Formats: sequence, C-alpha cells, structure tokens
Amino acid sequence: DAGVIQSPRHEVTEMGQEVTLRCKPISGHDYLFWYRQTMMRGLELLIYFNNNVPIDDSGMPEDRFSAKMPNASFSTLKIQPSEPRDSAVYFCASSRLAGVDEQFFGPGTRLTVL
Amino acid sequence: GQQVMQIPQYQHVQEGEDFTTYCNSSTTLSNIQWYKQRPGGHPVFLIQLVKSGEVKKQKRLTFQFGEAKKNSSLHITATQTTDVGTYFCAETSGGSNYKLTFGKGTLLTVNP
Repeated sequence: DAGVIQSPRHEVTEMGQEVTLRCKPISGHDYLFWYRQTMMRGLELLIYFNNNVPIDDSGMPEDRFSAKMPNASFSTLKIQPSEPRDSAVYFCASSRLAGVDEQFFGPGTRLTVL
Repeated sequence: GQQVMQIPQYQHVQEGEDFTTYCNSSTTLSNIQWYKQRPGGHPVFLIQLVKSGEVKKQKRLTFQFGEAKKNSSLHITATQTTDVGTYFCAETSGGSNYKLTFGKGTLLTVNP
C-alpha cells in the first residue's frame, strides 16, 4: 500500500493567493482528517470526513478555509485568500474507524505564505 | 473539546538513560493513543490503550493507562539515538464525535 499521499510537499506563495492542498487516503479507509501543525498551536484538527461527508469542521479557522471530498479517494483543502499566519505544515490522515483506530498520516504539505 | 496536558515539553537525555513522558486529563478518557513524530516527519501511530490500568510493552517502550483513565505515560528504557522525536498522546472525545485531540507533545533529544 502506498500510504496516504499528499501534494504538493512544499508550497510557497504570496499573501492573497489561493492555495489548494491535495490528499489521497488509503483505500478502504472511511475517515479522512485534515490537521494543521505549528510550533505555537501544535497539531490541530481542522475538519474530518466520514464516507466523503464532512462531520466536524469546528476546527476550520475561518471562512477562508474550505475542504471537499468529492469521492472516496480524493480530498482538497483550499485557502483563499492566503495570509502569512496560515504558514504551517498541513497533514492529511485516514483511518478505518474514527477515534478508536489508528490514524495513518501523510507526509504533509509545508506551506509558506510570504 | 477535552485537552490533554503533556509533560515535560522537552527532555534531553544521554544515550542509555531512561525517558518518561506523561499525559494528564481532568476528565475520564475513553481511550488514549500515542504517536511518534521524527524531526521533519509525520506522526506515526505507536499504540492505543483502552482499559483502566492497562500496561502494554513494545520492546523498550512501556505504555500505561491510569486506573482512573485520566492519565497515561510512555516510558523508554535505555534510550537510543533512534528514539529522537516528539511523542504525542491523543484522546478521543466522547459522544458521537470520534475525533482525536492531540497533546502538545514531548520533544526527546538523545546525546550519543
């Protein structure tokens, strides 16, 4: 199994630009999670999906952030417009079950907003 | 949601010394998971504890869940340089929302 796949691995953009992060979960996993990691705030859950349906988006910082999961093998996290404070590592993770099963993390996308 | 507190935030040891990180909650936890993240890497699942007083071992790593299910610990015996990284505990919120909430982690560095 290839594991969770994320792209791009690194993204450098200018303030105000739109950023789209992509994730392919492990086949057969019904849950997909988007996390953000910073030194100050640690690892924060942004949103998670069950069978492509968003279940909890209470961690999404503001309306500039949106996430979609059009099918079981693909999800996107979009930031529009981006701001310097969005600079972080964004991880996607998937699991068969939520909360009681291990989560498999992707390699992450390191986002820098100038 | 619930917040688990991890201590210490940082720990530096000499190779061969033992290491322990603690995870504490003010409320009873359903279960707790432990992850390790190497520098520049992504979190990797180590173990899950579910039962009160549970103890699990993985080679030099020993995981414990408190009797009251409000705390947990990870102990590494005779650290090696390969143990370097940040160790996170994560707890499951109760009810129907099964999301994990991660602690801030303990960064372990090992001097060879």
